[in-house]
Amino acid sequence: DAKTTQPPSMDCAEGRAANLPCNHSTISGNEYVYWYRQIHSQGPQYIIHGLKNNETNEMASLIITEDRKSSTLILPHATLRDTAVYYCIVRVAGGNQGGKLIFGQGTELSVKP
Amino acid sequence: GAVVSQHPSRVICKSGTSVKIECRSLDFQATTMFWYRQFPKQSLMLMATSNEGSKATYEQGVEKDKFLINHASLTLSTLTVTSAHPEDSSFYICSAQTGKAEAFFGQGTRLTVV
Repeated sequence: DAKTTQPPSMDCAEGRAANLPCNHSTISGNEYVYWYRQIHSQGPQYIIHGLKNNETNEMASLIITEDRKSSTLILPHATLRDTAVYYCIVRVAGGNQGGKLIFGQGTELSVKP
Repeated sequence: GAVVSQHPSRVICKSGTSVKIECRSLDFQATTMFWYRQFPKQSLMLMATSNEGSKATYEQGVEKDKFLINHASLTLSTLTVTSAHPEDSSFYICSAQTGKAEAFFGQGTRLTVV
């Protein structure tokens, strides 16, 4: 079962920052937080992942709370093409055990003009 | 990011026939590949995990004799839906990973059984 909780939907104005929250209160010490998004009728796209430090790449920033029980994905300047379902997943990174990505229901982000 | 290619992107088949879906990692070697199924308006459901050269591990409730998975090389895994029925119509997605890297997904295959 998915170990994360996300709001089912959010709206964001084009050009503004989109902040997507995720709760993962039962996360284990060796589990990372991963974010993927899925645009309609396509395969999921990797966005970012982190263990305990905040991370930033060309797509987004990931803010993880100090107790690691929640995180926020930030899209700094949302565009219409960012409209998608965003999935927050906790997962053991690599190895022969675990490593499975178990998807919850995600957050449907709608970026509006 | 790394590229994972699925083929075909969509397929229509008659009830009772078998359909093979290919998943290839184009620019990296995938030690592990995953197969998912997604019904309309629902999230992705993991079907099975396959490691190169060994038998796939199926999730609870997934029939291994109906959904045959072969991972013969580090760049190719196949999913065969045997004796397909209309209820098998779905969006099938593979993902591939190597070592500690993040998993990358194919573009999905839309299967319609008529």
